[in-house]
Amino acid sequence: DAGVTQSPTHLIKTRGQQVTLRCSPKSGHDTVSWYQQALGQGPQFIFQYYEEEERQRGNFPDRFSGHQFPNYSSELNVNALLLGDSALYLCASSLGGTELPSSTDTQYFGPGTRLTVL
Amino acid sequence: RKEVEQDPGPFNVPEGATVAFNCTYSNSASQSFFWYRQDCRKEPKLLMSVYSSGNEDGRFTAQLNRASQYISLLIRDSKLSDSATYLCVVNHPGGGNKLTFGTGTQLKVEL
Repeated sequence: DAGVTQSPTHLIKTRGQQVTLRCSPKSGHDTVSWYQQALGQGPQFIFQYYEEEERQRGNFPDRFSGHQFPNYSSELNVNALLLGDSALYLCASSLGGTELPSSTDTQYFGPGTRLTVL
Repeated sequence: RKEVEQDPGPFNVPEGATVAFNCTYSNSASQSFFWYRQDCRKEPKLLMSVYSSGNEDGRFTAQLNRASQYISLLIRDSKLSDSATYLCVVNHPGGGNKLTFGTGTQLKVEL
């Protein structure tokens, strides 16, 4: 049973460039959430995709956008990169469609993509 | 005030010790609570879910106090392999399953 996978593992970009990160959810999961983790901080919620639509969004600018495909995989795009975008980007998958907490709302994280902006 | 607050530590304890971490959350409507463990430069991994009055899993016990809006994690008989950062995580209410993380508490278990 494949877990959450992310690609690439590492990425180096320069300011102003654009980047696309990819995530495949755990088998049987239909919801993908993206988080940004800066050094020494806890992960910060960027947005969540369910049924190919953005369901919730955190406090991130429009430079951060995403997409979910029919096979539930997802992409995170960041435009006009800033030095402050350097972080570990984590993808988490879960079973969606519930408003109340349940045993299915546990999120499982992929290994992350470490982005360095120079 | 941060939505989820934790003491960043580090907590340096000898092997075999008992150590406890506390975490407070600001949104009284929060409904799901978790402890995740994160090793250096790795992804967070679910350690325990805490849904009602708390639960126990081997050497680990998590407690929830809704009235005071805090959750705790107790680790008994600490092992060297327990050295990691422990993240307190709260499920944001209102659906959509958005997780809010604390900054994490670093634990170092020493010989």
